[in-house]
Amino acid sequence: EIVLTQSPGTLSLSPGERATLSCRASQIVTSAYLAWYQQKPGQVPRLLIYGASTRATGIPDRFSGSGSRTDFTLTISRLEPEDFAVYYCQQYSSTPRTFGQGTRVEIK
Amino acid sequence: QVQLVESGGGVVQPGRSLGLACEASGFTLRTWPMHWVRQAPGKGLDWVSAVSPDGKNQYYADSVKGRFTVSRDNSKNMVYLQMNSLRPEDTAVYYCARQAGAFDVWGQGTMVTVSS
Repeated sequence: EIVLTQSPGTLSLSPGERATLSCRASQIVTSAYLAWYQQKPGQVPRLLIYGASTRATGIPDRFSGSGSRTDFTLTISRLEPEDFAVYYCQQYSSTPRTFGQGTRVEIK
Repeated sequence: QVQLVESGGGVVQPGRSLGLACEASGFTLRTWPMHWVRQAPGKGLDWVSAVSPDGKNQYYADSVKGRFTVSRDNSKNMVYLQMNSLRPEDTAVYYCARQAGAFDVWGQGTMVTVSS
C-alpha cells in the first residue's frame, strides 16, 4: 500500500498570498498518477489536478501541480477567499487508492 | 448532467447490515470503474472499495474485506455496497465516485451511523 503524507497539516495564509502544499509517497507513484482534491465544509470533494499537473475542467489557472515519483506539490499562486479549504492528494497508480490525510488552508 | 446519487444510509446497530446504492445519470455507467470512498466525521477521505466496469472484479480496503461487497447493475445504472457486520468505526459519509483515472465525479454522499 502506498502511504501518502501531506504537509503541513495546516497552512495559515492571507488572501493574495501563495500556498505551497506537499504530498510525499512511501513508494514511487508510477506514471505520475497523482491527483489533488479540494473539499470545503459540508461539500463533496472536487477534483483539481490529475496526472500530477493537469488541471481538471473548470479549475482556475492559479492552481498548479508538479512533481514526480515520490514528491508532489500543489501550488495556489494567489489565494482567493473561496480557496480556503482542505486539500487532499490521492494516488491512483495502485490499489488501494490511498489518500493523504489532508492539508487545511485557513485564513490568517 | 453527469450525476451520482447515493441512498440507503441510516442508523444501524453494531453487527447488523446495511445496503447502499448509487444511481448514475448523464453518462454510460458500463464504461467506467466505480469506487466507494468514506469520510468519518471530522476526518479525511478513506478509500473503501472499487468495481470494474463489467462487475467481474472487485477490490476492497483491508478494513472492510470480508464484510463489505460491491456490485453493479449496468442495465439499471446502479452501483451497490452491501455492508455486513458493521462496526462503530464504519460510521461515515459514504460517497460513490467515478474513476476517470482520478475520481472526477462524486455523489453527494449518504451518512451511515453505527451505534447501539
